[in-house]
Amino acid sequence: DVKVTQSSRYLVKRTGEKVFLECVQDMDHENMFWYRQDPGLGLRLIYFSYDVKMKEKGDIPEGYSVSREKKERFSLILESASTNQTSMYLCAGGGISSYNEQFFGPGTRLTVL
Amino acid sequence: DQQVKQNSPSLSVQEGRISILNCDYTNSMFDYFLWYKKYPAEGPTFLISISSIKDKNEDGRFTVFLNKSAKHLSLHIVPSQPGDSAVYFCAASGTASKLTFGTGTRLQVTL
Repeated sequence: DVKVTQSSRYLVKRTGEKVFLECVQDMDHENMFWYRQDPGLGLRLIYFSYDVKMKEKGDIPEGYSVSREKKERFSLILESASTNQTSMYLCAGGGISSYNEQFFGPGTRLTVL
Repeated sequence: DQQVKQNSPSLSVQEGRISILNCDYTNSMFDYFLWYKKYPAEGPTFLISISSIKDKNEDGRFTVFLNKSAKHLSLHIVPSQPGDSAVYFCAASGTASKLTFGTGTRLQVTL
């Protein structure tokens, strides 16, 4: 199984700050994903990446950017954090099995004040 | 446009009874469906999947049923246990290795 780790479990930032969320996977998978989870909205895809330096917008990319400089690492960047970006952020790797199973990290609970 | 829907936000079931979680979808191009389970402060974990060419897949206490004509799938948990209390997400797989998730159903199994 893919093991996915996220740099922080809890993070508190102020409006306007630049925020970096880091994700590392320990298997040699090309695909990595960033989601946010909000009550009543489920998991929504922000960005994903098929390979190093490649990125694709998901369903809600506004206000976010990503970086994939190494295969095992996928970073989510909030250029100027806003209160509506307070959420649980989940990173996943995988998506290469026939049914596209993804393996998730433990999540980062981000609060923007 | 919500392509995968879980219309019941919560469900309460007694221990030992059957839990049935439902999911509807709109995109007929989805070829696999997955169920994930999520505990608070943890990432979702994969539970079970089903191919669109099958109508049933069973793994221990968990069975997923797919009704393609109705674009509906359900997850049955028998017997339900207190440790099954979690949020369950239905997900559908189409192109490009992506998953489309539903909004989740919070299952509470009571003693």
